[in-house]
Amino acid sequence: GAVVSQHPSWVICKSGTSVKIECRSLDFQATTMFWYRQFPKQSLMLMATSNEGSKATYEQGVEKDKFLINHASLTLSTLTVTSAHPEDSSFYICSAWGAVNEQFFGPGTRLTVL
Amino acid sequence: AQSVTQPDIHITVSEGASLELRCNYSYGATPYLFWYVQSPGQGLQLLLKYFSGDTLVQGIKGFEAEFKRSQSSFNLRKPSVHWSDAAEYFCAVGAAIGSQGNLIFGKGTKLSVKP
Repeated sequence: GAVVSQHPSWVICKSGTSVKIECRSLDFQATTMFWYRQFPKQSLMLMATSNEGSKATYEQGVEKDKFLINHASLTLSTLTVTSAHPEDSSFYICSAWGAVNEQFFGPGTRLTVL
Repeated sequence: AQSVTQPDIHITVSEGASLELRCNYSYGATPYLFWYVQSPGQGLQLLLKYFSGDTLVQGIKGFEAEFKRSQSSFNLRKPSVHWSDAAEYFCAVGAAIGSQGNLIFGKGTKLSVKP
């Protein structure tokens, strides 16, 4: 099946710094990638939808200047958490939409902001 | 409002016993329904999906789910649970295929399996 990777799998950073998370579709081209956030014992909440070569569409309540998304190629999307604060600590999951009309999910990135 | 409800936060079953995980949804249009499984440190894996046709759908790992429009439900079942089935299970509803729409997830049900 299709594989989606995320890097890093776990990151710890100091408050005020920026963190970049990569999402790659390894064996297929993804015109659309989604970024989700998952709090402990909570559901996945969609943050934004990114289409290759265009600006991301953010869900209501998600700060686009804080969560910068770039989808520069058909196999790579990045999420940058700018000026991270402890409340940004969470599990971030990406998914990629392939030609088979199915979302394939990455393994997630756990962000801890000290 | 569009939503997915999984009433059971945590379920424990004995190995070899049958399993049913409940899922109810509220969706304005024709729902497209999914069940995913998430193991610790892993991404979400699709178990099965329902778009149209036969309301009883078969998935991977011996799972099946039944779509009941009158009850707005899409419950997941397995006749005999294996220890390796212990994981978090998410029900999700989405827009029509081809629209590349986002998914709305339930809060998940954690399954524990007793030996």
